[in-house]
Amino acid sequence: DAKTTQPPSMDCAEGRAANLPCNHSTISGNEYVYWYRQIHSQGPQYIIHGLKNNETNEMASLIITEDRKSSTLILPHATLRDTAVYYCIVRVAYNTDKLIFGTGTRLQVFP
Amino acid sequence: ETGVTQTPRHLVMGMTNKKSLKCEQHLGHNAMYWYKQSAKKPLELMFVYNFKEQTENNSVPSRFSPECPNSSHLFLHLHTLQPEDSALYLCASSQDVTGLAGKETQYFGPGTRLLVL
Repeated sequence: DAKTTQPPSMDCAEGRAANLPCNHSTISGNEYVYWYRQIHSQGPQYIIHGLKNNETNEMASLIITEDRKSSTLILPHATLRDTAVYYCIVRVAYNTDKLIFGTGTRLQVFP
Repeated sequence: ETGVTQTPRHLVMGMTNKKSLKCEQHLGHNAMYWYKQSAKKPLELMFVYNFKEQTENNSVPSRFSPECPNSSHLFLHLHTLQPEDSALYLCASSQDVTGLAGKETQYFGPGTRLLVL
């Protein structure tokens, strides 16, 4: 199973861009990269996912390196409400939807 | 608001009690999931249901008994639990478990925080 590596914690000033890195060096060609976040005591929230092209939605941008061994989630203008644990997940297999959550990155946005 | 609701939000029970957790999704999805999140541990997948059929049981003890009467509702029946079962129990749903990425995106409920005394 492909696994991901994320820094345990990061800080970001409010209004600045938050860039959260993720390494997934053993990712397979048909595996997608998903990002979820979990605000304290709430259920995880889907953010974005991608295969090999960069993706953008109303919440964030996802930049995937050409070799697909790493990716970066970008929150362009972080707010205090973006304080959460961010999980980078590689989808394990094609015919199941088993999401394996690691320990994630705890992002603290400060005023 | 993700379209997935869970009740109750908080539950305290003794080890001899029987209780049930309820999950309902209003998204028209076909797949539903139960996860467990213990303090300072990653989320652990417990059960997967697709079109009301259980497709995965992740070696969960029999004191946890899931039920999926239809694609919109999922229950987790609890009996003779142990204090170490205290955790946040999360329900999720997705349109399907197979097919194109995006349909498999899971949407989570707010969770039930369970305390077993």
